[in-house]
Amino acid sequence: DQQVKQNSPSLSVQEGRISILNCDYTNSMFDYFLWYKKYPAEGPTFLISISSIKDKNEDGRFTVFLNKSAKHLSLHIVPSQPGDSAVYFCAASGEGGTASKLTFGTGTRLQVTL
Amino acid sequence: EPEVTQTPSHQVTQMGQEVILRCVPISNHLYFYWYRQILGQKVEFLVSFYNNEISEKSEIFDDQFSVERPDGSNFTLKIRSTKLEDSAMYFCASGGGWNTEAFFGQGTRLTVV
Repeated sequence: DQQVKQNSPSLSVQEGRISILNCDYTNSMFDYFLWYKKYPAEGPTFLISISSIKDKNEDGRFTVFLNKSAKHLSLHIVPSQPGDSAVYFCAASGEGGTASKLTFGTGTRLQVTL
Repeated sequence: EPEVTQTPSHQVTQMGQEVILRCVPISNHLYFYWYRQILGQKVEFLVSFYNNEISEKSEIFDDQFSVERPDGSNFTLKIRSTKLEDSAMYFCASGGGWNTEAFFGQGTRLTVV
């Protein structure tokens, strides 16, 4: 039961270019969406979130876009840096944000090359 | 910056033994969670805890699992009789509530042999 899907297991981008990571979801009850970054042997680190009442949220180099009708969100990183190389997880929760459990996607491994 | 801390970082146990994984959530947070990640798979929800009781649990969280907040700071996950398939990274998380992000600890790698 994959309610949150990240169809690209990996992505390679040159330093300075834009990285676009995609995520699709099936559960229309999801109300709050988050992106986490994860290094090996560490816990997920929160990056950015968006509520379903918005279609865009920006924080420095990171922008998340939400298309509710398509049940799709994306994370844009610009410019990409070598330190951005990690696994990125999309996560979704019901009404109340982290008062509800998070359902994670399978992750996309981003590699930023020099 | 406040953080969620977990101990131990790595636990090796024999099948059938009990283990307790420990977490210290961020002090002013109200919602506490355990998640796990089996190698190569996605992060899965196990249980959420609020107001000193379980608020939600997944089907993974069967009778072998229990959680406790024995004092004002610690949050523990106990597995009563470990199985080989319990081998995974276990993550504790805490959150402040509505529309706030959950912060994760660095994880405990549990290896059942």
